[in-house]
Amino acid sequence: EIVLTQSPDFQSVTPKEKVTITCRASQSIGSSLHWYQQKPDQSPKLLIKYASQSISGVPSRFSGSGSGTDFTLTINSLEAEDAAAYYCHQSSSLPWTFGQGTKVEIK
Amino acid sequence: EVQLVESGGGLVQPGGSLRLSCAASGFTFSSYEMNWVRQAPGKGLEWVSYISSSGSTIYYADSVKGRFTISRDNAKNSLYLQMNSLRAEDTAVYYCARQEFGELLVWGQGTLVTVSS
Repeated sequence: EIVLTQSPDFQSVTPKEKVTITCRASQSIGSSLHWYQQKPDQSPKLLIKYASQSISGVPSRFSGSGSGTDFTLTINSLEAEDAAAYYCHQSSSLPWTFGQGTKVEIK
Repeated sequence: EVQLVESGGGLVQPGGSLRLSCAASGFTFSSYEMNWVRQAPGKGLEWVSYISSSGSTIYYADSVKGRFTISRDNAKNSLYLQMNSLRAEDTAVYYCARQEFGELLVWGQGTLVTVSS
């Protein structure tokens, strides 16, 4: 099973700051890494697919990068509405796995 | 509007059974692979099961293998999860999710399953 480890677990950030969340895979997964945002009491929402591909309707301040084992989700100029938990997910091999999540709080 | 609506959750005793349903609308259900993903209270996301568009290919997480059965009825635009021998650790919100290639683009609102005596 591929283990995804996110860092940090929690981040408290001021609006307009830049946020960087990393996801490290226990073995190479190519670019089969996706990012989701989950706000309290809501379903997860796809933000980025295949490491760096944008999703229609997602604000351009969200971007992704990386390949192999190391991946990054970047939120440029954080807005108050970005307070949420963020999860990475690999679809390289079964069982599909998710990172443990990173909670982003607005100061 | 593309939509997935789960139902069937509730309180069940350990060892009991429950059948979850996911009603799809706004897209050609029979063309898409589907998944169940769960989230225990206050915890992260856990993939549970996958079914191909035709229903011919199925996969399960080890944690539910032998106890849960995924199925679909393309004529009824519906996805199901039959859960047997339920345990306390199966307590979670269960989401159905539509798969594109590898990513899960469309999610339902979830249905809560509580396993407790």
